[in-house]
Amino acid sequence: AQSVTQLGSHVSVSEGALVLLRCNYSSSVPPYLFWYVQYPNQGLQLLLKYTSAATLVKGINGFEAEFKKSETSFHLTKPSAHMSDAAEYFCAVKGGNNRLAFGKGNQVVVIP
Amino acid sequence: GAGVSQTPSNKVTEKGKYVELRCDPISGHTALYWYRQSLGQGPEFLIYFQGTGAADDSGLPNDRFFAVRPEGSVSTLKIQRTERGDSAVYLCASKTDTGELFFGEGSRLTVL
Repeated sequence: AQSVTQLGSHVSVSEGALVLLRCNYSSSVPPYLFWYVQYPNQGLQLLLKYTSAATLVKGINGFEAEFKKSETSFHLTKPSAHMSDAAEYFCAVKGGNNRLAFGKGNQVVVIP
Repeated sequence: GAGVSQTPSNKVTEKGKYVELRCDPISGHTALYWYRQSLGQGPEFLIYFQGTGAADDSGLPNDRFFAVRPEGSVSTLKIQRTERGDSAVYLCASKTDTGELFFGEGSRLTVL
């Protein structure tokens, strides 16, 4: 079964600094990978997705992620954090019946 | 609105009671998913509908949980004899056959 691992539940980053959220996957087939963001009291919103095309994927709000098969990773980055980036971020992999398996999430806190 | 609508947004109930959570998907979306998000965890798959039928209900934790989608649009998640461990945010998502998954804001269930 497909799964993803996100380490470090809380991530603090200074405003203007690099945001790096790590995601490693386990999959027996070429994976479809996703990053979602969840703002307080809102639904999950898709940031970006990897579907076996370009390995560097650009998403909304300046985020991007790079698929590295050799490292089974799909880390999320943003060069410069904004206060508005404070939210919870989830990595997910698509499994059978198009169901998603999510990681535990990273709560990002942006320090002014 | 144009998004996935979930009601109620908050539900507080007592142990042993019956609850129903409703999901109104985006018009025209044939696929509908229910997920459960417990505190500090990522969303966990419960059940998937393709049209009116449950194509995959392997994520339902036990027979106290049941979901229906009688007309292929609105879905209701039903929980019998609620337990404190059922407390979580229940998320609904819908999509077209080939499209992006859109999530609702969730129904927060608290069992006292």
